[in-house]
Amino acid sequence: DGGITQSPKYLFRKEGQNVTLSCEQNLNHDAMYWYRQDPGQGLRLIYYSQIVNDFQKGDIAEGYSVSREKKESFPLTVTSAQKNPTAFYLCASSIERQATRRGNEQFFGPGTRLTVL
Amino acid sequence: GQSLEQPSEVTAVEGAIVQINCTYQTSGFYGLSWYQQHDGGAPTFLSYNALDGLEETGRFSSFLSRSDSYGYLLLQELQMKDSASYFCAVMRGNTPLVFGKGTRLSVIA
Repeated sequence: DGGITQSPKYLFRKEGQNVTLSCEQNLNHDAMYWYRQDPGQGLRLIYYSQIVNDFQKGDIAEGYSVSREKKESFPLTVTSAQKNPTAFYLCASSIERQATRRGNEQFFGPGTRLTVL
Repeated sequence: GQSLEQPSEVTAVEGAIVQINCTYQTSGFYGLSWYQQHDGGAPTFLSYNALDGLEETGRFSSFLSRSDSYGYLLLQELQMKDSASYFCAVMRGNTPLVFGKGTRLSVIA
């Protein structure tokens, strides 16, 4: 079955520690995205990548870093510079960069809930 | 910049019809998408409108008026399982979708 996996589902870290969230897709999608969601809030874009070895900052990139060394993988590192890292993190992918019949439909992983103590 | 406005909460009775509105301000508009997200879950795609008019998919329909920068999601024959958050999202060509803050729909008996 094709899809997007994120691990772990729940993650706890101490303040000041960096933490890396995993995102893997086997859909052969070009584009991948990271979003942050806070309670009662929408999806805020952290970083996105439209092709291997290239990525762009989203609206709230400060305190985060990413890499895209393989098409299937787009890990997100939450650094100690991120002031309020506790949130629900969602990874997504889409088939191509340009408009499609389904509006560049994004497929989401199950999310990682990060709690910083 | 761009902005999307949708109501934060809507409550409706099981079996009824509910409409969730979305107004947007953006440049380079291609189309409007709708996503559903149950609590603690991942958003899933519902519909996409690139042209004016109504698109129907089962109990769900989505409408777009490009001249009014306005769209809505219509849910008919509401079921308890429709209780979720619904996000509109703007497609602007070769850039990521821009999502609204979501509308939390509560279906009551």
